[in-house]
Amino acid sequence: AQTVTQSQPEMSVQEAETVTLSCTYDTSENNYYLFWYKQPPSRQMILVIRQEAYKQQNATENRFSVNFQKAAKSFSLKISDSQLGDTAMYFCAFMLGETSGSRLTFGEGTQLTVNP
Amino acid sequence: EPEVTQTPSHQVTQMGQEVILRCVPISNHLYFYWYRQILGQKVEFLVSFYNNEISEKSEIFDDQFSVERPDGSNFTLKIRSTKLEDSAMYFCASRATGGLVEQFFGPGTRLTVL
Repeated sequence: AQTVTQSQPEMSVQEAETVTLSCTYDTSENNYYLFWYKQPPSRQMILVIRQEAYKQQNATENRFSVNFQKAAKSFSLKISDSQLGDTAMYFCAFMLGETSGSRLTFGEGTQLTVNP
Repeated sequence: EPEVTQTPSHQVTQMGQEVILRCVPISNHLYFYWYRQILGQKVEFLVSFYNNEISEKSEIFDDQFSVERPDGSNFTLKIRSTKLEDSAMYFCASRATGGLVEQFFGPGTRLTVL
């Protein structure tokens, strides 16, 4: 079974600064995907970024980028130029291959607070 | 932009009652999922559904739970006899085909069992 671990229950950052959220995972599979989801106080789950395991290049979406270290099974999220609207719970998630039943396995989450 | 919708947003029920949570996935998506999140905890997978049948289910998804796609648009989760520990946020998600792997989540239904 796959596991996802987020070791930082809470983090804070000043507005406009950069913050990195950590995530490690464990799997014996080679074909998988990794995601970061954001959950603001409304509790809506919003997809932030995804990474394919077969791609060496780190994914980037505007101010959000990842550092994917496959050998170390590490998948961190970097948020640049943090904004107040980035305040949310962030969940790292793992998904196997592309089979029809591919579930997302989530980490425990990191509560990020952006301070003015 | 198409989105997943869920109704109701909040459901309060008495222990032992049946509840049906409803979801309308994104129209061209063919994979459907239910997840739950107990307050303060992580999101947990319940069940996935494809081609009108369950693809995979977790140990949480016992005989009290069932899913159905009664028509071409709705996807429902039924809990037959609710327990206090079923109180949680229930999220529906859907995914397209063709190598598109992102799961898009609805806003959730908050279920409170008294």
